[in-house]
Amino acid sequence: KQEVTQIPAALSVPEGENLVLNCSFTDSAIYNLQWFRQDPGKGLTSLLLIQSSQREQTSGRLNASLDKSSGRSTLYIAASQPGDSATYLCAVRRNTGGFKTIFGAGTRLFVKA
Amino acid sequence: SAVISQKPSRDICQRGTSLTIQCQVDSQVTMMFWYRQQPGQSLTLIATANQGSEATYESGFVIDKFPISRPNLTFSTLTVSNMSPEDSSIYLCSVEVSKNTEAFFGQGTRLTVV
Repeated sequence: KQEVTQIPAALSVPEGENLVLNCSFTDSAIYNLQWFRQDPGKGLTSLLLIQSSQREQTSGRLNASLDKSSGRSTLYIAASQPGDSATYLCAVRRNTGGFKTIFGAGTRLFVKA
Repeated sequence: SAVISQKPSRDICQRGTSLTIQCQVDSQVTMMFWYRQQPGQSLTLIATANQGSEATYESGFVIDKFPISRPNLTFSTLTVSNMSPEDSSIYLCSVEVSKNTEAFFGQGTRLTVV
């Protein structure tokens, strides 16, 4: 059974800091991994999608890495801004059992101005 | 990518009633899904909406409680039937243009049952 864990559960940093959010999964048989952002009471915004054959993806100030063998992914946010404050969710798609997507519980990020 | 319009964005409903949530996509998509996010929790998949046939439900979710329609490749509805306060959640529509590709989400429907 695939389980997805995100650490830390919450994080508060001053503006301008570089930060790393962690995601771990128990079953390395994944098809892809996707990072999302969710603002309070809203839907999810896709940030980065990493296929199982890839090591990392970059978009602007965001960089996501994937180490499938160790069951880990990290989301790196450079030069954080107050507008980055949100919950960040990691989602892993299995490559067996109907390709179901399993979500982590998220990391709540607060960037102080 | 895909742009998703989900309606209503929020509603307050009386227990015992039903609410139908609509999900409209700006382009044809292969896959459509419905998720539930209970307060303070992460997302749980309710079902996969199949065009022209019955939806595929996950364990713990049944068609009588969450009937789903998908008449074409751009539209789906989820009904929450005979609601109780435990159904208070955010309900989210998700799509994939092609199977197992990047997932996109609607803005969600915040449902409160009183």
